[in-house]
Amino acid sequence: EVQLVESGGGLVQPGGSLRLSCTASGFTFSSYEMDWVRQAPGKGLEWVSYISGSAGTIYYSDSVKGRFTISRDNAKNSLYLQMNSLRAEDTAVYYCARDLHYHTFDHWGQGALVTVSS
Amino acid sequence: QSALTQPPSASGSPGQSVTISCTGTSSDVGRYNYVSWYQQHPGKAPKLMIYEVSKRPSGVPDRFSGSKSGNTASLTVSGLQAEDEADYYCSSYVGSNIHMVFGGGTKLTVL
Repeated sequence: EVQLVESGGGLVQPGGSLRLSCTASGFTFSSYEMDWVRQAPGKGLEWVSYISGSAGTIYYSDSVKGRFTISRDNAKNSLYLQMNSLRAEDTAVYYCARDLHYHTFDHWGQGALVTVSS
Repeated sequence: QSALTQPPSASGSPGQSVTISCTGTSSDVGRYNYVSWYQQHPGKAPKLMIYEVSKRPSGVPDRFSGSKSGNTASLTVSGLQAEDEADYYCSSYVGSNIHMVFGGGTKLTVL
């Protein structure tokens, strides 16, 4: 059974940093592209970032480019999102998602809440 | 890149069919057959219901079907059941610069 479990969410002040982790199991992690998708409270879904299986290709949405860094450790079956210079508008539930292809997300984690507030 | 356009709400009675539209442009929905639909119950993670316009993942009931015409994709739920009440989001691949875009979501109510 495919499982994705996020951790690392919490309350952070504006301008601060936070690192999210996503631990995968039930599939060959290194064979799959992975993404982060977020959802602000009461709002819709927003794609954040993508990383290929080998980590050789990485993409970001314009809203986080230059502030967020996606990475992965295939030996640990783990995906990460380093978030710096956080803003109030980054407040959201962050989901890691397995990417079937072309940003089709066939499995999602339960989400990690990130709250940016003073 | 603007979000894809979905109606904010849709409704139907048990057993009926309902169709939710997802309108994009010739740069996204109209150009690529990588349109997906996700179901999200309150407080839960989204679940993939349809991918590549009309394909169903294993385990998704065949009451759910997808189609596309021009710049508009559609999700049809037939034989509505109470558990179908949820938010539904469409998405489309957009290409190498913007990558992908979601619709604003449609709240489906089973009357």
